Amino acid sequence: DAGITQSPRHKVTETGTPVTLRCHQTENHRYMYWYRQDPGHGLRLIHYSYGVKDTDKGEVSDGYSVSRSKTEDFLLTLESATSSQTSVYFCAISLAGPDYGYTFGSGTRLTVV
Amino acid sequence: RKEVEQDPGPFNVPEGATVAFNCTYSNSASQSFFWYRQDCRKEPKLLMSVYSSGNEDGRFTAQLNRASQYISLLIRDSKLSDSATYLCVVNDSWGKLQFGAGTQVVVTP
Repeated sequence: DAGITQSPRHKVTETGTPVTLRCHQTENHRYMYWYRQDPGHGLRLIHYSYGVKDTDKGEVSDGYSVSRSKTEDFLLTLESATSSQTSVYFCAISLAGPDYGYTFGSGTRLTVV
Repeated sequence: RKEVEQDPGPFNVPEGATVAFNCTYSNSASQSFFWYRQDCRKEPKLLMSVYSSGNEDGRFTAQLNRASQYISLLIRDSKLSDSATYLCVVNDSWGKLQFGAGTQVVVTP
């Protein structure tokens, strides 16, 4: 399996606080993605990256920012957490883009109270 | 309208039986298609790509119907370990994967 780890695995935070989730890969894959998964919605793309310092918004990017200063790390920040951001967050990597499918990390279960 | 739609199920299947389900997609320009499997509280994992001519991987068969814009997955000789949620995934014309909400399959003894 591809080396991709997410941290933390679980987090409970208070409304209004900033939160940063980390995705780390050891595969040197160019493409990295952040998704959230909620019941009935499937996985929805938050932000993605095609390389170092090359990021773009997905379909549900409001309230989120990302950074990729190294190939191996892709950080997702909730600038001021809200209860609607309670979700499971998955990071994914791909060597050559969406035509080849993605490999997912184990996910971060975030609860905003 | 969602880009990728699936029957959420659950499809309850006796062990050893065959189950099949479809997924429809809205973007006729979509070029690549996949089925992912997701176990409860786990990450999605790639099950198989779906090719225009249809393809098999062991007990799993995937088909693509471009004219009607749907893909299908058939599981033969179902095993208890096949119980999972199956996600239909389509590469939209913007180069990103669109995920369906999943079809739950429950294989019973």
